Amino acid sequence: DADVTQTPRNRITKTGKRIMLECSQTKGHDRMYWYRQDPGLGLRLIYYSFDVKDINKGEISDGYSVSRQAQAKFSLSLESAIPNQTALYFCATSSPTGELFFGEGSRLTVL
Amino acid sequence: RKEVEQDPGPFNVPEGATVAFNCTYSNSASQSFFWYRQDCRKEPKLLMSVYSSGNEDGRFTAQLNRASQYISLLIRDSKLSDSATYLCVVTLDQAGTALIFGKGTTLSVSS
Repeated sequence: DADVTQTPRNRITKTGKRIMLECSQTKGHDRMYWYRQDPGLGLRLIYYSFDVKDINKGEISDGYSVSRQAQAKFSLSLESAIPNQTALYFCATSSPTGELFFGEGSRLTVL
Repeated sequence: RKEVEQDPGPFNVPEGATVAFNCTYSNSASQSFFWYRQDCRKEPKLLMSVYSSGNEDGRFTAQLNRASQYISLLIRDSKLSDSATYLCVVTLDQAGTALIFGKGTTLSVSS
């Protein structure tokens, strides 16, 4: 089983819909992250969390919210999806040495 | 100047070639440095950390030049399976609160 699991892996939705991407990890790490990746723009940080009570905005948090339900779970929500949120989303967790472990990604298309 | 810059490539090389990528970073306080590999439509995975003294892992050698603020990745005896995008990652503090990704350099190795 993967150390970091994301669901759904693919989702097509319409403008204005609420979407939740879920992430769970079995690494036992405290730190979790959500990134989005767009062609030509690389990976950009949306939100990160260093423990259950700690949530921080990344460089592109507008239009997104997160919830850290437990050490192992970190979900990303789009309250009202718009087409420019079409992207590949990655959840990750990091070890104390800084190594990132990524999920396989969630490909979201907003029509 | 962008925080982490990489030549996007693509670098097209024949099997057996030696190829080198550079990555420059703007923040002199940067603490840790990594190279990640990302295959098409897959999640990034750690290739190697970059240490001040330089480090080698098989055909891969990473170097850090703090004075000039760049890191490099050298791949010797390129294999077809080395074809991927290589991401430079820099952390801005020991706590790893800010992981900055370069946009990646694409390598294509042909037979």
